[in-house]
Amino acid sequence: DTAVSQTPKYLVTQMGNDKSIKCEQNLGHDTMYWYKQDSKKFLKIMFSYNNKELIINETVPNRFSPKSPDKAHLNLHINSLELGDSAVYFCASRRGQLNSEAFFGQGTRLTVV
Amino acid sequence: ILNVEQSPQSLHVQEGDSTNFTCSFPSSNFYALHWYRWETAKSPEALFVMTLNGDEKKKGRISATLNTKEGYSYLYIKGSQPEDSATYLCASNRDDKIIFGKGTRLHILP
Repeated sequence: DTAVSQTPKYLVTQMGNDKSIKCEQNLGHDTMYWYKQDSKKFLKIMFSYNNKELIINETVPNRFSPKSPDKAHLNLHINSLELGDSAVYFCASRRGQLNSEAFFGQGTRLTVV
Repeated sequence: ILNVEQSPQSLHVQEGDSTNFTCSFPSSNFYALHWYRWETAKSPEALFVMTLNGDEKKKGRISATLNTKEGYSYLYIKGSQPEDSATYLCASNRDDKIIFGKGTRLHILP
């Protein structure tokens, strides 16, 4: 069983479209994250949710909106997609304890054309 | 230090040699320091999470140390093997965030 799963794995879409990436974890973790891997392979934090509540919202355009229907899911909605949104997006989760590691999904490669 | 910094950015090591690399992180509001191993086309996987100053952790040929007062951590790999080729990410856990460095890309030469 996959601990943190993201769908889809690949997403190709046109500029201006609205798309969603889903993330689910079956580990019973309290905290979930979205990261964007930029062109230089750097993982940059976008959002952090703890028990369905938004904790961290980094400097991300408001076209990006996370939605957490329950503790096991954190979906990423992107409106009016732009070319610069093309990247690999990673979802991750972890327990609430300080010494707990993050578990990552396999990533979603988004290509905006 | 405001961000998590890793050095070197890239490293080529002969198979069988030992190596180490560095992570520097803000020492204020420190919760924990993470090390991850990230192979190409895969997801990052945790190696260690350390919280206490002076912590030292070991997993097989890989070990890590932590100095929270001065804000640095070292990762050591003993007797490098081809399967050690990967990007090694360091991350600082502060205020519910896990902030990553840009990684050290390790290439093991046969």
